[in-house]
Amino acid sequence: GAGVSQSPSNKVTEKGKDVELRCDPISGHTALYWYRQSLGQGLEFLIYFQGNSAPDKSGLPSDRFSAERTGGSVSTLTIQRTQQEDSAVYLCASSIWGGDRGTSSGNTIYFGEGSWLTVV
Amino acid sequence: LAKTTQPISMDSYEGQEVNITCSHNNIATNDYITWYQQFPSQGPRFIIQGYKTKVTNEVASLFIPADRKSSTLSLPRVSLSDTAVYYCLVGGYNKLIFGAGTRLAVHP
Repeated sequence: GAGVSQSPSNKVTEKGKDVELRCDPISGHTALYWYRQSLGQGLEFLIYFQGNSAPDKSGLPSDRFSAERTGGSVSTLTIQRTQQEDSAVYLCASSIWGGDRGTSSGNTIYFGEGSWLTVV
Repeated sequence: LAKTTQPISMDSYEGQEVNITCSHNNIATNDYITWYQQFPSQGPRFIIQGYKTKVTNEVASLFIPADRKSSTLSLPRVSLSDTAVYYCLVGGYNKLIFGAGTRLAVHP
C-alpha cells in the first residue's frame, strides 16, 4: 500500500485477555518501529526492527509485551494478559533506511494511523 | 542519542509567523534534524529535515546555525489548522526517541 497500514484501528478488550496488533509497513522499508501513546502524552518507544538484525526491544515495558516481524515485512505486537494501563494508541512506523551512517540523507519515518486499544 | 529540549507549549494567532526552537547540545556529526507534526488522533507526520544552514519546503523552513546545537522550525502565517504538537528529533539511524514536543495553539 501507499502508507503504513495498521489493524485493528480500534480494539476493546477485557482485562486479562491477549491482543494482537498488526502493522503492514510501506513496501521496501527495512526499518519498523512500534510506539505507544497514552492520552495527552508523548510517544513512548517500544521496539525497533532493522532488516535481519536483532530487534531493539529496550522500550518494551514488561514481559507481557512482545513483537515479531515476519519476512522482513509485516509486524505483530502482542500484549498478553492486558491491564487497564495498557490502554493507549499503538503507533507503527517504517522507514526506508536506518542503521547505517554516512549516507546523503537522514532517516525519515512514516507513521500509520494507529491502533486504539481500550482495556476494560 | 542526542537529547532534545523544546518549549512545552506556545500560543499564536492566525496570520502570524511561529518559530519553535529545539536545543540539541550533544548532536553527533552525522545526525540529521527532523521535525514532525501530530494532530489529535493521528500519527505524527514528517514536516521537514535538515543537516545545516537553512531548508525550506512548501510547509515550513528549518534554520540550523553553524554549531548545529539548536534548530528553529519556522511556520509562516499560521492558521487554525496548524494547531498541533510539533516534535524535534535528532539522529535517526536506529531507534528514534521522541521528546514531549511543543503544543502549538493558534487562536483566531
